Formats: sequence, structure tokens, C-alpha cells
Amino acid sequence: GESVGLHLPTLSVQEGDNSIINCAYSNSASDYFIWYKQESGKGPQFIIDIRSNMDKRQGQRVTVLLNKTVKHLSLQIAATQPGDSAVYFCAENRKGGGADGLTFGKGTHLIIQP
Amino acid sequence: DAGITQSPRHKVTETGTPVTLRCHQTENHRYMYWYRQDPGHGLRLIHYSYGVKDTDKGEVSDGYSVSRSKTEDFLLTLESATSSQTSVYFCAISDYQETQYFGPGTRLLVL
Repeated sequence: GESVGLHLPTLSVQEGDNSIINCAYSNSASDYFIWYKQESGKGPQFIIDIRSNMDKRQGQRVTVLLNKTVKHLSLQIAATQPGDSAVYFCAENRKGGGADGLTFGKGTHLIIQP
Repeated sequence: DAGITQSPRHKVTETGTPVTLRCHQTENHRYMYWYRQDPGHGLRLIHYSYGVKDTDKGEVSDGYSVSRSKTEDFLLTLESATSSQTSVYFCAISDYQETQYFGPGTRLLVL
């Protein structure tokens, strides 16, 4: 089975609220994690990444938190907007995994309600 | 899309015919990848390349072959298309085996 997965397949939030999307991973050797956003009909788009020597990283309206103790990754989106509606999925890079090292989760569909 | 184009963007073909999808990058990245994306499966790696003429198999390589004769181009060939190969195909590139940047995708329908 996959070592990267998501807790919830669909997340519905009100416009303006904060969103939190979760991801669990099982490979303790993973040392690099990425969040992608995929809008309907488009390719995945890089949002933010984090290395295993960090607990938190912030971008524009997004924050990624890494909890290595429980092997958990989350993406927080502040003040969600209609344009945030998309599927979000995480990916992990197994340390020493080589050129094919990224493993992707299946995704969470974020729905923004007006 | 980080200087990545895929062609064609849409294709309908018949079972048993060969199909070639092209990925072209302008970023001069070393690594290139082909994925397929299907409902319930997420992204699955078909083949990847770590340099010109250097390729290797991914998780779901059966029925697919690849070639990379130039840094900028990575071709995916379905030798004899089957209905199970109906999917959306994404090309990705990376420079340091970490962050991968994706192209816009090709929707393939095999009848």
C-alpha cells in the first residue's frame, strides 16, 4: 500500500475561513515533503515544501506543519477564497530513494462555499 | 507550468494502435517523469529519465516504453493501446530529485 495518504477525501469550508488538510505518512526515512494543488483539468501545481529538519514553514496564506513523532503533515490555508477550490495532495521523498523517490497521496478535494 | 508542454493535449485512439505522447521542457532539468492519474489511484509513476538516454521503470511500466534523445524531450509510447490505458498522463521535471513540476496533462481515451 501507499505510505502517504490523506485522512479526508473531501473538505468543505466557508469562504474566508481557514482550511486544514491533513496527510499521514508511514515511512520514517522520508526527509522531504511537498504539497500540491490541482485544479480541475490542470496539472498539479507546487504550493510549498518542507524538510524533515523543520516543523513549520510558511508561505503566502499557506503554512505546512510537520509532526515527525506521529508522522503527520498538514497544510493550512488562511482566509480561503473561491480560487482555493481544488484537490490538494501531499508527496514525500524517501531519503535515498533515488530519482523515482516521490510518493504521492490520493488527494483531498477542498470545496469553498460562499 | 514551469516551461513544460505536452502534446497532444487530447487524443482518442483505438485498441491495438500505437500512441506516442510528447513532453517538452525549456528548463534544462535533468530528470523527467511520466505519470498516469486515475480516480482512486492518484499519481502513479510509469517511467522516468535521469539523463539523455538514461531511463528506468516506475510502478506501472507494463505496456509503455520511453525515449529521451535530447534533454528537453521525453517521449512516452503505448506500444499497443488498451482500454485500461485510458487515463490522464502527466509529465514532470525536476532538477535535484526533489520538487517535481508538472505539465498540463494529456487526456487519452482508448476505444
